[in-house]
Amino acid sequence: DIQMTQSPSSLSASVGDRVTITCQASQDISNYLNWYQQKPGKAPKLLIYDASNLETGVPSRFSGSGSGTDFTFTISSLQPEDIATYYCQQYDNLLRGYTFGQGTKLEIK
Amino acid sequence: QLQLQESGSGLVKPSQTLSLTCAVSGGSISSGGYSWSWIRQPPGKGLEWIGYIYHSGSTYYNPSLKSRVTISVDRSKNQFSLKLSSVTAADTAVYYCASSMTTTLFDYWGQGTLVTVSS
Repeated sequence: DIQMTQSPSSLSASVGDRVTITCQASQDISNYLNWYQQKPGKAPKLLIYDASNLETGVPSRFSGSGSGTDFTFTISSLQPEDIATYYCQQYDNLLRGYTFGQGTKLEIK
Repeated sequence: QLQLQESGSGLVKPSQTLSLTCAVSGGSISSGGYSWSWIRQPPGKGLEWIGYIYHSGSTYYNPSLKSRVTISVDRSKNQFSLKLSSVTAADTAVYYCASSMTTTLFDYWGQGTLVTVSS
């Protein structure tokens, strides 16, 4: 099975800060890596798909990069409404299954 | 735009079978290329994929749950279902249904339903 290691598990930043979260796969997953935002009591929401593509309607301050085993999610200028937990997710085309990272809880300093 | 809505028992006794249904609106569950997943989240913890059923009817399950999981589709009602047998307290979680148009990601989600396993 492919394991996903997401870091950090929590992060405190100020409004306007640049925030970066990383996700590392245990083996090459090409660009099959997506990022979700989950606010308390809500379902996750897709932000970035295929490592670097911005989902329709998602603000441009969100971005993603990477391929192979190392991926990065960035918020260029943190806004109060960005407080949430963020998850990476990969799809294993061989085993036909999905794995999520452990999540990063983002708080305002 | 698809809308998904979970329903089912919110309280299940240990050793019994958890049963949930996800009603799909705004599109057909038989649409080519779509897959339909169940994902769960224990209180205060992360997301765990349970399994999915492809539009063709093929099913794929998380190996850690495979022996206890069945996902099926009712095309006449435009809904799909989850059955998880022999539940324990560790199965207490918010259960989400989700759709995948491209298989590799989850594009639409239900609001989630809390299932508690307790006697």
